[in-house]
Amino acid sequence: GAVVSQHPSRVICKSGTSVKIECRSLDFQATTMFWYRQFPKQSLMLMATSNEGSKATYEQGVEKDKFLINHASLTLSTLTVTSAHPEDSSFYICSARDGVGGTQYFGPGTRLTVL
Amino acid sequence: QKEVEQNSGPLSVPEGAIASLNCTYSDRGSQSFFWYRQYSGKSPELIMFIYSNGDKEDGRFTAQLNKASQYVSLLIRDSQPSDSATYLCAVGEDSSYKLIFGSGTRLLVRP
Repeated sequence: GAVVSQHPSRVICKSGTSVKIECRSLDFQATTMFWYRQFPKQSLMLMATSNEGSKATYEQGVEKDKFLINHASLTLSTLTVTSAHPEDSSFYICSARDGVGGTQYFGPGTRLTVL
Repeated sequence: QKEVEQNSGPLSVPEGAIASLNCTYSDRGSQSFFWYRQYSGKSPELIMFIYSNGDKEDGRFTAQLNKASQYVSLLIRDSQPSDSATYLCAVGEDSSYKLIFGSGTRLLVRP
């Protein structure tokens, strides 16, 4: 149990385009999902907390107009990187919080490369 | 600023030995503690969680929590080369459900 999927697993795009990443909890309902970014050889950096049916809460320094988050249902959250630039190239990972046990389970991640 | 501290390593142990990974945290009120394993290029996977003082065992893994000392550890018995990874300690923030992560300890198990 407790499986979280992410799609796509890898994306390469041109500078200036937008990229949407989906995060789904497959076998449990997640009222709260989290979006992280990880640069090579660095630890996870929390970008935002996504709550179903309400606006996301962004961490300090994360541009909410650049990283659009939608949590439309109890099993789906999306992150859209708008007007992507090469410095946005990173490993984006979502996690979903199991409302029953409270544990966070991570998706497999999406590797974004912006040319 | 709530902090979680881990030694970055690498911690190198021979195959079959016990690997001991340590973590300290700053918020005395923390209630939930997690250990994740992350292989290079992959996302973290949950190994164990612990909420109460003392030891919690699951197979080759034992988590230890000492809230008075604000210290949590992970023991890996009979270490295998496949255990070589970065181990992330995380502390739950009850009000927001966030996890505060340490920077991770890299473990290397030598065949």
